[in-house]
Amino acid sequence: EDQVTQSPEALRLQEGESSSLNCSYTVSGLRGLFWYRQDPGKGPEFLFTLYSAGEEKEKERLKATLTKKESFLHITAPKPEDSATYLCAVQAPGTYKYIFGTGTRLKVLA
Amino acid sequence: GAGVSQTPSNKVTEKGKYVELRCDPISGHTALYWYRQSLGQGPEFLIYFQGTGAADDSGLPNDRFFAVRPEGSVSTLKIQRTERGDSAVYLCASSQGPRGVEQFFGPGTRLTVL
Repeated sequence: EDQVTQSPEALRLQEGESSSLNCSYTVSGLRGLFWYRQDPGKGPEFLFTLYSAGEEKEKERLKATLTKKESFLHITAPKPEDSATYLCAVQAPGTYKYIFGTGTRLKVLA
Repeated sequence: GAGVSQTPSNKVTEKGKYVELRCDPISGHTALYWYRQSLGQGPEFLIYFQGTGAADDSGLPNDRFFAVRPEGSVSTLKIQRTERGDSAVYLCASSQGPRGVEQFFGPGTRLTVL
């Protein structure tokens, strides 16, 4: 069964303290891996799409990487405004479904 | 409009009642998804529309749930005989295509069944 597992469930960082979030997946023939950010009371907001192992994408303090079994979202020198839930999703070939993980709740303290 | 809109933003109903949730996707987006998100969980797929037709409704939990998109733009999610377990945030997302592309989400409708 296709699954997405995110860790840790929650993470508290001091401002400027870099860290990484993990998304592991069991999908054969990945069609795409997606990272979203979700603020309380809002819908998820798209961050990145990764398609193949070895691919990397960056946006401001965020960098996403992909291997054959997992993806990492690296946060460099985070700021309080980076506090949010970060969701990972995959889409397997032959299906229209996107499978989401349960997310990592990130809190960055000033 | 610039983004996906959903109405109402909040809906409180009584057990056994019928509710309709509306989604206005981004203009020109042919793909439309409905998800359900419970507290502390990621979005759970319900149904996917490509144009006017439901291409995949395998995520609908039972036959009390139904969705339509008659003109290929606005979609309505309909829930009959609501149960307390239906309480959740219902999210709608649209995209330019069904595969391997980012989705744009609406703010969601928070449904509470008393």
